[in-house]
Amino acid sequence: DGGITQSPKYLFRKEGQNVTLSCEQNLNHDAMYWYRQDPGQGLRLIYYSQIVNDFQKGDIAEGYSVSREKKESFPLTVTSAQKNPTAFYLCASSTRDSETQYFGPGTRLLVL
Amino acid sequence: AQSVTQPDIHITVSEGASLELRCNYSYGATPYLFWYVQSPGQGLQLLLKYFSGDTLVQGIKGFEAEFKRSQSSFNLRKPSVHWSDAAEYFCAVGAGDDKIIFGKGTRLHILP
Repeated sequence: DGGITQSPKYLFRKEGQNVTLSCEQNLNHDAMYWYRQDPGQGLRLIYYSQIVNDFQKGDIAEGYSVSREKKESFPLTVTSAQKNPTAFYLCASSTRDSETQYFGPGTRLLVL
Repeated sequence: AQSVTQPDIHITVSEGASLELRCNYSYGATPYLFWYVQSPGQGLQLLLKYFSGDTLVQGIKGFEAEFKRSQSSFNLRKPSVHWSDAAEYFCAVGAGDDKIIFGKGTRLHILP
């Protein structure tokens, strides 16, 4: 089955720790996205990548980093600089120019 | 700048009743418009999309939406809701450059 997988489903971060959220897709999509979701805030774009080895900042990139070394994978690192990381993180992908995004099941990040 | 407004944060309807969720957008050109649904703790699922052509769009799960350019609206409708329709619904507009802007969502509650 084609789709988008995110792991882990739940992730706990200690103070000062970097954590990495995984996103993998087997849809052969060129573009991938990371969103942060907080209650009542909708989805806010963190980073996106339209092609391998290239990515752009979204609206709330501070405290986050990404890489896009493979077409299938777009991991997100939540760094210690992100002071309020508790949220639900969603990964999505799309073909170029289709503007239709397909979402993974999400990762909930909690701070210990 | 592009934006999406969902004026209702919560909507409650009785099972079997009709439903209309409101969405207004701001976009300079002909927009790409989407409705997504999210069950608690899950990712977003695409219900339907409008790119061009017929302004009444049919989607999955018995939903439809109508694009009204004069009102800058893309309201979602269902003639008879089921308890399983309880979820959060997001309207979105394509912002160009492979990005989508999401509204803040409407949470639908179903009374038995």
